[in-house]
Formats: sequence, structure tokens, C-alpha cells
Amino acid sequence: DTGVSQNPRHKITKRGQNVTFRCDPISEHNRLYWYRQTLGQGPEFLTYFQNEAQLEKSRLLSDRFSAERPKGSFSTLEIQRTEQGDSAMYLCASSLDQGIWFEQYFGPGTRLTVT
Amino acid sequence: AQKITQTQPGMFVQEKEAVTLDCTYDTSDPSYGLFWYKQPSSGEMIFLIYQGSYDQQNATEGRYSLNFQKARKSANLVISASQLGDSAMYFCAMREENRDDKIIFGKGTRLHILP
Repeated sequence: DTGVSQNPRHKITKRGQNVTFRCDPISEHNRLYWYRQTLGQGPEFLTYFQNEAQLEKSRLLSDRFSAERPKGSFSTLEIQRTEQGDSAMYLCASSLDQGIWFEQYFGPGTRLTVT
Repeated sequence: AQKITQTQPGMFVQEKEAVTLDCTYDTSDPSYGLFWYKQPSSGEMIFLIYQGSYDQQNATEGRYSLNFQKARKSANLVISASQLGDSAMYFCAMREENRDDKIIFGKGTRLHILP
């Protein structure tokens, strides 16, 4: 495994349904980040973990969103009662905590379409 | 507040020519890092180059160089000898020393390399 993986790559769901995405970071990376990217915009930070601890959540992360990283390895992002405004690309990134300027490695993303 | 501005929504460049992608930033933190990422149509964010605010020399990585002008708060990406595979979205991003948990991205520039 040489990179961050995300599953599924694409998800189409009906409004009101729940969805869950998975991210598997690079194995030795202790930090994991979630971003959301809408059409024509750069990625926006949602939340991040250091090991299993969730250290920050953006205001973008409403109560319908929850993220976990139970054993400090893979992470899941769940969206409950999806809305059409949730349609976006959800990106996961991981990094090593080896100083201030550690690079974040991104996965291929999960594209969510809410109909 | 952090802010990244990319004023070029799209650019067309002839293959083999050099191209400069503009980026200006705003921060009150004296210590920060600037990043450029490439996002091809597949969606994955690919790290290209990094510049620290205290670095004396401009960063270079192969065909990529970062023209860092601290007083002007600009961090332009220069791609030399452009190739067809360089066609993609390019994002400028920043992280402040006191906010090492997330990266703030600009809106991006779509680069088209013409054969």
C-alpha cells in the first residue's frame, strides 16, 4: 500500500438516506483529515484526527455529520439524512506528525450525489 | 483571517512553454507554509511543492518552482517546459504555524496545455 485509499469512489443516494464513507490512510501516518470539495472550489477542511482522537471540527460539519477513527487507523465519515447540498467530493488526507510543515497526502476522494 | 486568492480561473498555454500560476495570500502569522497541489480529472490531489515563510531561497522540484515574494505576499507557481499531462486544476494552499491542523485552499486555476 503506497497511498491513501477511499471507498466507495462514487455514491448516489436519495435525499434523506444515510451514507458512510471509508478512508484508509498511509499505514504509518498518525494524522487523518477530511475535506469537502464542491464544484469550482478548492477543498474545505471538515475535521481531523491525531491517532484516534478527533481534535478539530469545522463549522461546516453539521450535526448530521459524524466521523470516527476507532483504532487510529482507518476512518469513517457518516452523513445522516442527506440533503442535496451535501453533494460534493469528500477527500481524505493523511500525514505524519513530524513537525509543522508535514505534507498531507490525499486519497482519490468519494463523489457523493444526492438526488 | 487566512485567505488564498487565485485570480486566474483558467489558462491556455502552448506545449513546451513555461507557465506561471498566480497566488496571493493573507495572514498575520509570521510563520506559515505555502503549498501547491495538482488535481487531474481523476480527482486526486497531488502535492507539488512547498515553501516555508522563513525559507531564504525559492523552492524548486523538477519542472516546478515557486516564486516566493514575501513582501507582496505572493507565491506563484512556475511550470517550465509544459507538457500535455500538466493539464489539470492547480490549487495554492497555506497553513499557519499556529494552525497546523488544516490547509486553506484557493479556488484553483484550470490549466489547459495545447498541443
